[in-house]
Amino acid sequence: ELKVEQNPLFLSMQEGKNYTIYCNYSTTSDRLYWYRQDPGKSLESLFVLLSNGAVKQEGRLMASLDTKARLSTLHITAAVHDLSATYFCAVDGRTSYDKVIFGPGTSLSVIP
Amino acid sequence: NAGVTQTPKFQVLKTGQSMTLQCAQDMNHNSMYWYRQDPGMGLRLIYYSASEGTTDKGEVPNGYNVSRLNKREFSLRLESAAPSQTSVYFCASSSWTAGPDTQYFGPGTRLTVL
Repeated sequence: ELKVEQNPLFLSMQEGKNYTIYCNYSTTSDRLYWYRQDPGKSLESLFVLLSNGAVKQEGRLMASLDTKARLSTLHITAAVHDLSATYFCAVDGRTSYDKVIFGPGTSLSVIP
Repeated sequence: NAGVTQTPKFQVLKTGQSMTLQCAQDMNHNSMYWYRQDPGMGLRLIYYSASEGTTDKGEVPNGYNVSRLNKREFSLRLESAAPSQTSVYFCASSSWTAGPDTQYFGPGTRLTVL
């Protein structure tokens, strides 16, 4: 059974600092997603990582995937207040057609 | 394009009542999903539909039924609501390229069962 974990669950950081959110999963997969959710809102796609070694960047966010370690990272560079949100990783289970399992989320608060 | 739409946005039920949550997408996606979101637990998959005419159980299907009415619409039914079903429900859709592509989410339905 696929399990997806995120680390840390809560993160408070100052503007201008760098930090990394980690996403570990328990079974083989080569497809991983990152989503952002603002309070009281729906989820918005950030990245889809489709192969080992994949790296994608958008603004101050960069995501990478290591399928051998079953690990993805979301790196935040020079954080700004607008990045405050909850970030979810999700993994394609591959145990049955089209099933996607989400991690518990990382609640990020960027303090001016 | 409206993307993924859900109705209603808010609902309060009494224990034992039934209701259907509606979801529609206009992106011509094959796959559709229903999730529930509870504090501190991320999103948990209730049911999904890989394509029109097929449905399958996710992690937490008990107490729910679904119907994939056509390619656009995927409904979720609570036959006899329980307080444990108080949650925020999200519908999502995706295309499929050798696996599920990124999911597009609806705005959510906030359900309270008293």
